[in-house]
Amino acid sequence: DAKTTQPPSMDCAEGRAANLPCNHSTISGNEYVYWYRQIHSQGPQYIIHGLKNNETNEMASLIITEDRKSSTLILPHATLRDTAVYYCIVRVDGGATNKLIFGTGTLLAVQP
Amino acid sequence: NAGVTQTPKFQVLKTGQSMTLQCAQDMNHNSMYWYRQDPGMGLRLIYYSASEGTTDKGEVPNGYNVSRLNKREFSLRLESAAPSQTSVYFCASSEIGQGAETQYFGPGTRLLVL
Repeated sequence: DAKTTQPPSMDCAEGRAANLPCNHSTISGNEYVYWYRQIHSQGPQYIIHGLKNNETNEMASLIITEDRKSSTLILPHATLRDTAVYYCIVRVDGGATNKLIFGTGTLLAVQP
Repeated sequence: NAGVTQTPKFQVLKTGQSMTLQCAQDMNHNSMYWYRQDPGMGLRLIYYSASEGTTDKGEVPNGYNVSRLNKREFSLRLESAAPSQTSVYFCASSEIGQGAETQYFGPGTRLLVL
């Protein structure tokens, strides 16, 4: 599975869009990009995933560059409850193992 | 629908003691996982079970054993606890749909080994 690089921390004002970047320059053609988040002391929570196309759901949007070497998770209107560590993960679906490899993620602090 | 549940929530052990962490899911998922998370670190996979009756080692299996009791339950056992096993333990289960696998996590068990 490809390695990802994320900034260790970011700040965002409440009500503004939070844009969290992720580099995955060694991603291969069949690897998906997943985003999870972990609010303090809780278990990780799935947010969104994508392969090539941009994706949107009720929680967030995922923008993947055309060369797929980087992506951005967008929280359109950040709230204080969005303060969490955000993990960007790339992996092959249907591979021999189903594990997720978590890095250290980005700590997003939403400021009032 | 409780999702993934874990017991106990907290546990303090002395070095050398044994204990079993319990995990259950009510989503009819085939795959289940045990992770540990040390302070300031990401999660690391200990063991996983792709289906009932099968288990496989993850990144950090040493010092642990697992049992997939049935489709719902996946337990993690520490036979002789060590201070290095002080951590937060998360259980997860997963479903596959629309070309992706989504993992759902429990609330965690906080373990302190003295």
